[in-house]
Amino acid sequence: GAVVSQHPSWVICKSGTSVKIECRSLDFQATTMFWYRQFPKQSLMLMATSNEGSKATYEQGVEKDKFLINHASLTLSTLTVTSAHPEDSSFYICSAGPRGETQYFGPGTRLLVL
Amino acid sequence: GENVEQHPSTLSVQEGDSAVIKCTYSDSASNYFPWYKQELGKRPQLIIDIRSNVGEKKDQRIAVTLNKTAKHFSLHITETQPEDSAVYFCAVAGGTSYGKLTFGQGTILTVHP
Repeated sequence: GAVVSQHPSWVICKSGTSVKIECRSLDFQATTMFWYRQFPKQSLMLMATSNEGSKATYEQGVEKDKFLINHASLTLSTLTVTSAHPEDSSFYICSAGPRGETQYFGPGTRLLVL
Repeated sequence: GENVEQHPSTLSVQEGDSAVIKCTYSDSASNYFPWYKQELGKRPQLIIDIRSNVGEKKDQRIAVTLNKTAKHFSLHITETQPEDSAVYFCAVAGGTSYGKLTFGQGTILTVHP
């Protein structure tokens, strides 16, 4: 149990376009999911907390208008990187847990903005 | 906010030796301490976790110890194998941030055959 999936696994896009990343909990429901970003050879940095049925909570320094989060159901959260630029290129990973505290990660989405 | 320091940043051991990675944290309200293993290009995998009401937890070759007074916890891997080579992250959660993890900087563990 406790399987989290992400789609797509990798994406290449042109600067200025928007990219949507999906995070799904496959065998449990999650009222809360978390989005992280990981640059090469660095740790995971929390970007935002995705709350089902309400607005996401963003960490300090993360632009909410650039990283749009929607958590429309108990098994799906989406992260949209709007007007992507090369500096947004990174590994984006979501996490969720059936019992909240213990978190399981999705396989990640590697974004490359040209 | 929470601050997590992890040491060492790199660790090289011979197969069969033990490896120890240490983390310290700042928020005394934190009460959940997981460890993740991340192989190159893959997702972090939970390998062991401990809660604040427990001082030590063991799972086969892996153990975690927690000292709440000193606000530090450690990962111990015994009888290391080449497949243990990866990046290991400690994390901290709890208090008002249920499920929200603050990660350490990571330790690159290399086990030489």
